[in-house]
Formats: sequence, structure tokens, C-alpha cells
Amino acid sequence: DVKVTQSSRYLVKRTGEKVFLECVQDMDHENMFWYRQDPGLGLRLIYFSYDVKMKEKGDIPEGYSVSREKKERFSLILESASTNQTSMYLCASSQGTSGRDEQFFGPGTRLTVL
Amino acid sequence: AQTVTQSQPEMSVQEAETVTLSCTYDTSESDYYLFWYKQPPSRQMILVIRQEAYKQQNATENRFSVNFQKAAKSFSLKISDSQLGDAAMYFCGRGSTLGRLYFGRGTQLTVWP
Repeated sequence: DVKVTQSSRYLVKRTGEKVFLECVQDMDHENMFWYRQDPGLGLRLIYFSYDVKMKEKGDIPEGYSVSREKKERFSLILESASTNQTSMYLCASSQGTSGRDEQFFGPGTRLTVL
Repeated sequence: AQTVTQSQPEMSVQEAETVTLSCTYDTSESDYYLFWYKQPPSRQMILVIRQEAYKQQNATENRFSVNFQKAAKSFSLKISDSQLGDAAMYFCGRGSTLGRLYFGRGTQLTVWP
């Protein structure tokens, strides 16, 4: 079974802090994704990566950056957390880049910025 | 525009009955994949069913089936014999280049006993 794990289920941070959200997948998938999920807005793509050290902006990249130094690990970085970044963050991975592959999701990290 | 629209923010169904969740999408591609995902309360999102646009036949997975109307760009999910465990948020998605998915805003399904 594919496993996508996220470093924390719940996280509370202060405004202005630098925040790291970590995601690890164990199936040698090429693609990894970071989404945020807000009520009424569904899933919005922040960034994705189709190869090590490669990244692409999604629909809402402002205020975020990412890092993918190893194939299995994809980090989301909030350089200076703000209250409007309070949200559920979901990581996902998939095998290929054709748009045919299922994405496998992690359990999510609920981030609260005070 | 790369949009996926789910027009029903909430739906409800009686146990053992049938319910249909709607989804429409935008694309200029001729071949693509469509997905329905389920997110149960406080649990991970999982794939329910997948459809290749090239195939005429509607996909089916046990009690879950789709009604795919390519010309209308419509991809609805039918759940037959609804069970309490079907209660979840359902997301429709369309596959695109570089492996990304475009998702709708979701439909919250409630199942009444």
C-alpha cells in the first residue's frame, strides 16, 4: 500500500514564525503536491513537484515555498506565517506526469496561526 | 479556464437509497482522466472511481458508477444502496499535464438512517 505521511496532524504557530510542513511518500512516486483545504473552497493547489529539485507553482503559491531535495520528501515552507494561512494542508503523491494517475493523499496537517 | 464545478455544496440521502452527485468541467484536451475522491470525516482522501475520457463506457466500482457525458463535459457520480459509511465530502477532479488534478469545491454527503 502507498503511504503518504505528514509530520504533524495538528500544529499551532505564532504570526511571523517560519513553519515547515513535511511530507514523505514510500512508493517512489515522481510527483508530489501540496494543497490547502478550506471550507467552501475545496482543494487548492499551492505547489507541486514532478522531479527532485523541480517545482511548479499551483494556483495559490503566494506566501509559500517548497523544497524537494530527495524524491520521497516534499516540504512546504511558510516563510512568515500569517493568520490567513490557518488551514488544513494536504500532501499527495502520484506516479507519473500524464494526468491519468491516482493521487494518494496524506492525513493532513491542521495548522493554526495565532 | 481550467475549472471543475460541483454545483451541490450539500446533498443528503436515506440509507439504501440512490443519490447522484453532479460535476461539470472545462477542458480543451481530447483525452484526459476524470476522478471522484471521497474524504470521510477526519480521515484521508481516497479514490472512489476513475474514468478515461477516451472510453465510451461508464466506469463502475461496486455501488459507485459514473454518468460521463463527454460532449456536455459532465461527470456525475451515482451511489446506489447508500450506506452510513458513504457519508463524506466528495471531490470531482480532472487530470492535466504534469500530473496535476483540478478539483471542484466538493459536495458534502449526509446519509440518514
